[in-house]
Amino acid sequence: GDSVTQMEGPVTLSEEAFLTINCTYTATGYPSLFWYVQYPGEGLQLLLKATKADDKGSNKGFEATYRKETTSFHLEKGSVQVSDSAVYFCALSDEYNAGNMLTFGGGTRLMVKP
Amino acid sequence: NAGVTQTPKFRILKIGQSMTLQCAQDMNHNYMYWYRQDPGMGLKLIYYSVGAGITDKGEVPNGYNVSRSTTEYFPLRLELAAPSQTSVYFCASSYRTGKKETQYFGPGTRLLVL
Repeated sequence: GDSVTQMEGPVTLSEEAFLTINCTYTATGYPSLFWYVQYPGEGLQLLLKATKADDKGSNKGFEATYRKETTSFHLEKGSVQVSDSAVYFCALSDEYNAGNMLTFGGGTRLMVKP
Repeated sequence: NAGVTQTPKFRILKIGQSMTLQCAQDMNHNYMYWYRQDPGMGLKLIYYSVGAGITDKGEVPNGYNVSRSTTEYFPLRLELAAPSQTSVYFCASSYRTGKKETQYFGPGTRLLVL
């Protein structure tokens, strides 16, 4: 079945540091890929997505490129802020899965220090 | 526009008790989902619904029941609570189905079964 693997956290960075959170996947079909973010006490929010190979998703300074050859969708940001502290989830949606359900990675907690 | 709301935020149950987790959305979305998240793990789909009166099982449906009498509400029922059901439960919705569609999540219900 489908699976998503992302780096374990917590990841602790100083403000303005460069961020990379690795995400790799296995899928039966040709999935869409997503990054969701969960701020403390809130639900998951879509951060960005890419629906086909070589697409780049971007939002709020974050970006990720759908790499079919390496089955990866790594999240990057050039300069993190304290307000970026949250848990980040990589996920995929595959047309072969029931209800087009999302398959999630385990989440990576990011802590940004001033 | 409140989006997806869930109640309660937190609940402690004794083994064998029952409860209903409430989920409501005001976006007129046809598709609704229940996921559970265990510590350090990604979210897993419990049940989903493609419209009022239509529900189907996801990856981990055992021990749960759902109903969908209206578009807005999608309650999740635990009949005989077990420690293995200790988890955080997320409700989500989307306007359409399909691997490109964004799912919108509620803030979650934390359940502890003792």
